[in-house]
Amino acid sequence: GQNIDQPTEMTATEGAIVQINCTYQTSGFNGLFWYQQHAGEAPTFLSYNVLDGLEEKGRFSSFLSRSKGYSYLLLKELQMKDSASYLCAVRDQTGGFKTIFGAGTRLFVKA
Amino acid sequence: DTGVSQDPRHKITKRGQNVTFRCDPISEHNRLYWYRQTLGQGPEFLTYFQNEAQLEKSRLLSDRFSAERPKGSFSTLEIQRTEQGDSAMYLCASSSQGPGGNIQYFGAGTRLSVL
Repeated sequence: GQNIDQPTEMTATEGAIVQINCTYQTSGFNGLFWYQQHAGEAPTFLSYNVLDGLEEKGRFSSFLSRSKGYSYLLLKELQMKDSASYLCAVRDQTGGFKTIFGAGTRLFVKA
Repeated sequence: DTGVSQDPRHKITKRGQNVTFRCDPISEHNRLYWYRQTLGQGPEFLTYFQNEAQLEKSRLLSDRFSAERPKGSFSTLEIQRTEQGDSAMYLCASSSQGPGGNIQYFGAGTRLSVL
């Protein structure tokens, strides 16, 4: 089967660092994505990993371990505007460009 | 480049009616995707097109759902004989084939309410 697991909710303090984990089991693998989605808005792209390792982009970093079926999104220097849902998604190679999304992690940033 | 646009933004309909949504992708993008999202869940894949060809359709999609992309540009998603369970946000996304083609850009969605 195909399954993507991520925590439902997390709370962190402004200025802190938070790590959002994602584990996946899919029939194929052709890349893992992280998207940010504010309430009532469209998802926006954050990062893409296809090889093992860490990808850093400003305050956001994403890590992938294909052998473990594991990824995390690291957010540094948290700001109130980072309060949103963070979606982990896997592109299923056997399905072409079919992308499977997790249910998302709602992050609350408090002052 | 005005991004992915979807029309209408909101649709309220009675059970049993047919509805049609439109998506205009980013102009140079040849790949187009439809998703459905309910509250507290991530987007659920429905179908995707490369140019005018519909290359994959979710097995979860009943025969009441049909999507077209006749000229490889805009796409329509039709739901026939709507049911209350069809109430959701319908998202469209597009991507290019070249470098950076892994990134899907989403529209703001069409929120469907079936009464």
